[in-house]
Formats: sequence, C-alpha cells, structure tokens
Amino acid sequence: GQNIDQPTEMTATEGAIVQINCTYQTSGFNGLFWYQQHAGEAPTFLSYNVLDGLEEKGRFSSFLSRSKGYSYLLLKELQMKDSASYLCAVRDRGGANNLFFGTGTRLTVIP
Amino acid sequence: GAGVSQTPSNKVTEKGKYVELRCDPISGHTALYWYRQSLGQGPEFLIYFQGTGAADDSGLPNDRFFAVRPEGSVSTLKIQRTERGDSAVYLCASSLGGLETQYFGPGTRLLVL
Repeated sequence: GQNIDQPTEMTATEGAIVQINCTYQTSGFNGLFWYQQHAGEAPTFLSYNVLDGLEEKGRFSSFLSRSKGYSYLLLKELQMKDSASYLCAVRDRGGANNLFFGTGTRLTVIP
Repeated sequence: GAGVSQTPSNKVTEKGKYVELRCDPISGHTALYWYRQSLGQGPEFLIYFQGTGAADDSGLPNDRFFAVRPEGSVSTLKIQRTERGDSAVYLCASSLGGLETQYFGPGTRLLVL
C-alpha cells in the first residue's frame, strides 16, 4: 500500500521562509511531485524530484531523500498569494503514472 | 494553449440518478487521468487512459463507476445509481506521455442529494 504524510496546517509570515515536509512509504517509487492548490481550484504543478537532492525553481525548491522516504518543499520570500494547500504526490512504479497524494498541507501566510 | 477543461463545473443530482462528467485534455496529450477529491483530502486516483484504452482502472471504487475515451481525446466518467457518498470534486488531468507531468482541470463538483 501507499502512505503519504504531511502536516495538516502551517502558518508563516509574509517575507519569511517555510518548509513543508512529506514522508512516504510506498510499494515502489518512480518520482515525487509537489502541487499547489488554491481553495476551489485545480492543483497546479510546482516541482518534480526523482533523484536525491535539491531542485530549485525561483522562490520554490524541493528536496528528496529516497533512502529516508522524505521530501520537503521550501518556499522563500513568502507572499500572501502563497496561501494555499500544498500536495505531495508519489508515483509508485514505472509504467504507471497514477499519483498517490497526501492530504495536503494548508499554508496560511499572515502579514 | 488551452488547458484541461471539464464540464459541467457543478452538478447536483438526486440519489439513484445517473451522471456523466466530461473532460477535454490538453491537445496532443495521450494520457488522461481521473481523480476524486473529497473535502480536506488529496486527490484519489480512479483511472488512467493511454490513448483509447484504460491502462489502469484499479482506483474505480465499484462497478457503478465507468469511464471511456473512445477517440483518445475527450473522456467521460459515468456514475450509475449515484449515492450521497459519491459527492466530491472529480478532477481530470492529462499528460503528454505516460510518465510526463500531469496538468489538472478545474474539476466538476458533484453533489448527490
């Protein structure tokens, strides 16, 4: 089976840095994705990691450690518009692209 | 270009009725996925199409749920004898190929009374 854990809620201050953690136990592993989802809207793709290490994309970075079953999403220079849910999703084996999602972390950015 | 589109955006139906939800993927995307998202939860995988065929339907909860993609583009998710527990947002996603990044549509909010 698949088990993906994320904190339910986080609060951070505008301009600050926040790290959202995700741990996973899956029967296989073929990549980890982070999506952002504003309330009532579709998830939008943020990042993808398949090898260990850090992937940086502007204000957003994502890290993966396959041996630890662990990833984090780092958001820098927080803006009010970053208030959203952040979904961690694992693709569990090659040849199948269905994603298994965590419940999401609802981030609130305060002034 | 245009993203994934889904219709209707909202659907209210009565218990026991039949509903169809439509998804138009991004042009040229061969892979299409259906997910279901309940309030406060992450999306839950239902079915994955590669071209016209269902490559993986292991997420369909029971035989009341069925999906088709007859021409390898538009897909329809069909739910028979709806139940109140079917109420959720039904998300469709598409990707260029089988292992590419998935791009989601806005979803159909289904409410079964």
